Amino acid sequence: QVQLVQSGSELKKPGASVKVSCKASGYTFITYALNWVRQAPGQGLEWMGWIDTNTGTPTYAQGLTGRFVFSLDTSVSTAYLQINSLKPEDSAVYYCARESVSRTSMDVWGKGTTVTVSS
Amino acid sequence: QTVVTQEPSLTVSPGGTVTLTCASITGAVTSGNYPNWFQQKPGQAPRAVIYNTSNKNSWTPARFSGSLLGGKAALTLSGVQPEDEAEYYCLLYFGGVWVFGGGTKLTVL
Repeated sequence: QVQLVQSGSELKKPGASVKVSCKASGYTFITYALNWVRQAPGQGLEWMGWIDTNTGTPTYAQGLTGRFVFSLDTSVSTAYLQINSLKPEDSAVYYCARESVSRTSMDVWGKGTTVTVSS
Repeated sequence: QTVVTQEPSLTVSPGGTVTLTCASITGAVTSGNYPNWFQQKPGQAPRAVIYNTSNKNSWTPARFSGSLLGGKAALTLSGVQPEDEAEYYCLLYFGGVWVFGGGTKLTVL
């Protein structure tokens, strides 16, 4: 079946880096764009941007700093979110979400990866 | 900065009907914003219930419907069930950018 499987929870110290993975299965990976969404504790959903899985071109939401990097490894149908120079305020659940072919919905979501930044 | 607003909270009785709305401070919401609605229960990932204004996914209960109402996107639940208690988020598209609403906490009481 179609699914996105994300990597497990991470506990990091401020200033470190983390790389979250999102492995797709059950469909042709490069056919569907991939979005990243974060949710801080007790807060709402925030769209972070998306990556064109065909070209590897990332698009970041306005205000998202250069510390966030979207990338791909199409050979293993996996997208990555790397966060550098982690800050405590980066603590959140990070979701990947597939965008439909028509680009009008986010139809399949990963279960989320919890990143906790604490000294 | 595009801001999308939703009612912070709503309460409905079991079997009742409730409408959640989603507005944009930049102007009327249209079909070109491809309104999406997501249901999120505690500890779970969001699940899409409505996409592209009024389309349902295969798992969306028949009591859920989406529409445009008075310049806003709307999600109506008719015959609300206890399991509908959740946080609901709308999502709008603005020319290459997606923006989530702040969410509506729906209580079934």
